[in-house]
Amino acid sequence: DIVMTQTPLSLSVTPGQPASISCKSSQSLLHSDGKTYLYWYLQKPGQSPQLLIYEVSSRFSGVPDRFSGSGSGTDFTLKISRVEAEDVGVYYCMQGIHLPPPFTFGPGTKVDIK
Amino acid sequence: EVQLVESGGGLVQPGGSLRLSCAASGFTVSSNYMSWVRQAPGKGLEWVSVIYSGGSTYYADSVKGRFTISRDNSKNTLYLQMNSLRAEDTAVYYCALYFDYWGQGTLVTVSS
Repeated sequence: DIVMTQTPLSLSVTPGQPASISCKSSQSLLHSDGKTYLYWYLQKPGQSPQLLIYEVSSRFSGVPDRFSGSGSGTDFTLKISRVEAEDVGVYYCMQGIHLPPPFTFGPGTKVDIK
Repeated sequence: EVQLVESGGGLVQPGGSLRLSCAASGFTVSSNYMSWVRQAPGKGLEWVSVIYSGGSTYYADSVKGRFTISRDNSKNTLYLQMNSLRAEDTAVYYCALYFDYWGQGTLVTVSS
């Protein structure tokens, strides 16, 4: 199975400052169809996970443009250009390349506000 | 608008069974792939099972042979039949359309 790792596991950010989370996979997430199946989610306190970024760098509908994703192969990054209070929660990366599954999530990065 | 509403969770004894439901609206369950993902208390996300539009199903090793994913096209509803439940199955269970849209989750507690 593909193992997903994230760093850091926790992050405290001053509002208005940038933040960055790294995600690494144990195997390349580049599929033969040319797409890279790496997703980012935010789970706000008491809520379900919500999709932020799909296929490395595409923002999901309604996601603010302060969120951006980058990377390739096995190394990926989620960046928040200016953190806002509503961005607190746990961020997860997930690989969706395995066909057949299993799909696997990273351990999560908890972001809070200083 | 896509909506997913899970139900069927509750308290069950070890070795017991539960069937979770995920009522969908705004899209057709049978035309898309759908998953169940769970989250143990205070822990991260764990993929449990997927059913593809063609009917193929897959399971995490931790639930293989005990859980069954299915759908009812007439009710536009996804199900997860959970048998031989263990304490480690205690979690909030989410259904998801692809992995884009998620329900609010239903809590399953396995305890004597």
